[in-house]
Amino acid sequence: DTAVSQTPKYLVTQMGNDKSIKCEQNLGHDTMYWYKQDSKKFLKIMFSYNNKELIINETVPNRFSPKSPDKAHLNLHINSLELGDSAVYFCASSPEGARAEAFFGQGTRLTVV
Amino acid sequence: AQSVSQHNHHVILSEAASLELGCNYSYGGTVNLFWYVQYPGQHLQLLLKYFSGDPLVKGIKGFEAEFIKSKFSFNLRKPSVQWSDTAEYFCAVNARNAGNNRKLIWGLGTSLAVNP
Repeated sequence: DTAVSQTPKYLVTQMGNDKSIKCEQNLGHDTMYWYKQDSKKFLKIMFSYNNKELIINETVPNRFSPKSPDKAHLNLHINSLELGDSAVYFCASSPEGARAEAFFGQGTRLTVV
Repeated sequence: AQSVSQHNHHVILSEAASLELGCNYSYGGTVNLFWYVQYPGQHLQLLLKYFSGDPLVKGIKGFEAEFIKSKFSFNLRKPSVQWSDTAEYFCAVNARNAGNNRKLIWGLGTSLAVNP
C-alpha cells in the first residue's frame, strides 16, 4: 500500500482555472505538509498541518488554500491559476517529534498553459 | 533566521569517483539532520539521518554523513559513486521556528550527475 498518495499525478490546465490536488496518508502521522518544487528543483514548504490544524503557512499567495478534513488527508486548492504556479507539488507526512522524518508522496506535476 | 546551505548546486563526476556534498546550517539549538535523495522523476526518499551519538552515520546505498557540531556541518559522502547515484540531494534540518513549531528547513539541493 502506498504510504502517501497524491492525485492526480499530472495536471494540465489553463490560466484562470481553479484546481485541487488531493493527498492521503495511511501512516497514522499527525503532521502533513505541502511543498512546491520549481523547475530548478528548489524545494519550498508551503503549509504544514498538525492534527487538522494549520501550524505553518509560509509566504504563499492566498489563491492557495489547504484543507484538512481529517488528519489523514490534506488537500490543496488553487484558485485563478497562473503560469508561475507550474511546478511539482509534493505532499508529505511525518509523525510527531523532532526526530521525525518526512515521507513524501509521488508528486503532482502541475502545468498551467 | 534558520537556514541550510548546500555549497554546490551542480556536481558532475565520473563513475568510481569519490563524492562529498557540503551542507551547513545556522541554528543554535539541538538539531536533527537529514539527507534526502530524489532520483529523476521520483519523490524524495530518506538517505540517512542524525539525531545523537556517533557523529558518523551510515545510510543506504553506501552513503554516509558526518556531523561536525563546531562547524555546523553535515556533509554527505560516498567513496565510489555509480551512474545510478545521479539524482538531486537535499540536506534538511529539523528545528524550531519563530512560532516554536518544529519544521524541516531545506537546503536548495545539489544536482549530481554521474557519467558512466
